[in-house]
Amino acid sequence: DAMVIQNPRYQVTQFGKPVTLSCSQTLNHNVMYWYQQKSSQAPKLLFHYYDKDFNNEADTPDNFQSRRPNTSFCFLDIRSPGLGDAAMYLCATSRDTGAQPQHFGDGTRLSIL
Amino acid sequence: GQNIDQPTEMTATEGAIVQINCTYQTSGFNGLFWYQQHAGEAPTFLSYNVLDGLEEKGRFSSFLSRSKGYSYLLLKELQMKDSASYLCAVRALTGANNLFFGTGTRLTVIP
Repeated sequence: DAMVIQNPRYQVTQFGKPVTLSCSQTLNHNVMYWYQQKSSQAPKLLFHYYDKDFNNEADTPDNFQSRRPNTSFCFLDIRSPGLGDAAMYLCATSRDTGAQPQHFGDGTRLSIL
Repeated sequence: GQNIDQPTEMTATEGAIVQINCTYQTSGFNGLFWYQQHAGEAPTFLSYNVLDGLEEKGRFSSFLSRSKGYSYLLLKELQMKDSASYLCAVRALTGANNLFFGTGTRLTVIP
C-alpha cells in the first residue's frame, strides 16, 4: 500500500497560471519534504516542514510556497509557473530529523504550456 | 558547499557484479544513503551508512570510508530489473535531515 501519495501523477498548467500539487502520508511522520527534480539531475530540496515549522532552503524561489494544514497533508503551490519550473516534484517524509531514510512518493510531473 | 560525484552511466551483464562509486565533499557529514530510482518513479531507499565499513542487505551492499569521503554500492547477481538510476545522498550537519543528492548513476543491465 502506498504510504506517501502524490496527486496528480501528471499535471499540465499554463505559463503564469497558479498550480497546486498535493502530498499525503499514512506514516504519521513528523517531517515532510518537497524536492524538485529536473531531467537527469539530482533531486533538489525546496523546503521541508518539521511538524508545523516551515524551513525554506535559501535558494528556493519565492514563486514556490508550501502549506501543511495537518500531519497527513502537505501542498506545494507555484504562484506563477515559468517554463523553467517544468520538472518532477517529489514529496518525501521521515519520522524525525535523525538519520532516518526518507520515504518518497511517486512524484508529480509538471508540464508548462 | 556540497559536492557529490558519481559516474553518469554504467553497463553490466545479467548475473554479474557491479560497483557504483560515490565521492563526496560536504560541510559536515552525518550519514550517506543510497537510493534506487526507476525512470519516472520515486527514489526508493536501499541502504544507509554512517560508520566506516560494509553494510550488507541481500544482493546489495554499501561501503563507507569517511576519511576518504568515499562510498560504493555493490550489486551482486544482477537482474534485468536492476536497470535504474542509483542515487548517492549525503546527510550533512546543516539543516534537519537535509539530504544532498548526487545526479545518479544510470545502470543498464544487459542479457
